[in-house]
Order: sequence, then structure tokens, then C-alpha cells
Amino acid sequence: AQSVSQHNHHVILSEAASLELGCNYSYGGTVNLFWYVQYPGQHLQLLLKYFSGDPLVKGIKGFEAEFIKSKFSFNLRKPSVQWSDTAEYFCAVNAASNYQLIWGAGTKLIIKP
Amino acid sequence: DAGVIQSPRHEVTEMGQEVTLRCKPISGHNSLFWYRQTMMRGLELLIYFNNNVPIDDSGMPEDRFSAKMPNASFSTLKIQPSEPRDSAVYFCASSLSRGSSYNEQFFGPGTRLTVL
Repeated sequence: AQSVSQHNHHVILSEAASLELGCNYSYGGTVNLFWYVQYPGQHLQLLLKYFSGDPLVKGIKGFEAEFIKSKFSFNLRKPSVQWSDTAEYFCAVNAASNYQLIWGAGTKLIIKP
Repeated sequence: DAGVIQSPRHEVTEMGQEVTLRCKPISGHNSLFWYRQTMMRGLELLIYFNNNVPIDDSGMPEDRFSAKMPNASFSTLKIQPSEPRDSAVYFCASSLSRGSSYNEQFFGPGTRLTVL
């Protein structure tokens, strides 16, 4: 069965620190990859997505993610975080011909001002 | 674009009562998803509709839960009778699928359900 692993459940950083959140998935075929963000008390919003092409994907708010097929990974990065990035971040994957998104457990990110 | 619309935003009810959650997907989207989010279980897919037809309801917890999509612009999720363990945030999401290609899902603001 497909699965998505987010290794860190909680991350605490200071403002201006660099961020990398890990995401690994288990599926051998073609995949679509997503990162969603959920700010406190709000709904999930798409940060970025990868369907094909350049494996380095740039999203909103200065986030980017790199798809490394050989490692089954899609890590999220931001060079300098802000207090407003405090949120929960979800990685999600679907087989390219499947409607179902497989979700990671989420990583709660807290940015100290 | 108004995005996915859900109502009510908050619902507090007593055990045994019927609860109906409503969703209006983004116009033109043909796929609709109902999710439940709790601290313990995270985000769970309850049911998936494509072109108003339920395709996968394997995530519906039990017979107390039912969902309908009478047309392309409206869906309901009903819990009858409700129980305290149903307390959660229920999200509706929609997307546009073409053949075997599925795009990203757009989420509504959610309904926070509390069953006392």
C-alpha cells in the first residue's frame, strides 16, 4: 500500500533560520506530489505541486521543494522562515492515475519571534 | 472565484441529534471529497464523488454517516445519530479531473463539529 512519511512531527525554529521538512513516499510508479499548509484554525491551502518537468518546484511565500525520484523524496525548503510561517505542513502524494491523495501525518512548525 | 464553500462553519449539537454538513464545490470541478480531521487520526478521506456519483465510500466510518451529491454544485454529509466521537473538523474539497488525470484539491474552510 502507498504511504507517505513525514519524519518530523514538530519543528521549532527561530525567525530567519532555514527550513527543510522531509517527505518520503512509497510507490514505484509515476506520482503527483503536493505540499499543503494549514495555518492555525484555517483550511488546507496548496503551497506547491509537482506533476512533471523540473524537479525543483517553487511555490508561494518563498517555499520550494525538490523531487528526488531515486530517493522517493519531496522535501520542502525555505531559506529564511518568518513568524507567519507558523503552521502545520502536509505532504501528499497520488499515483498519477488515481484520485486518492495519500497524506502524511503533518509537521507542526513553530517559529519563535 | 469563491472557492469551496461549506456551511455551517461551527456546529454544536447533542448526542443523538442529526447533523447535516453542506458543501458547494468550485464551479466546473467534477470531483468532490469529504474529509475528517482529528488530532488523533489526522486527515481521513470519508468519501469521493466524481461527476456526482459516489466512487469510493470506504472511508465512511459506519452506517450513521451518509453523503449525497444531488447535483454538480451541492453535496451533503449527514450524521444520524451523532455521537461525541464524531467531534472533528469536516472538510470538503473539490478538484478537476480529466480522464485518468487528477489535479490538486481545493479545500473549503471546514465545519467544526462538536457533539456533546
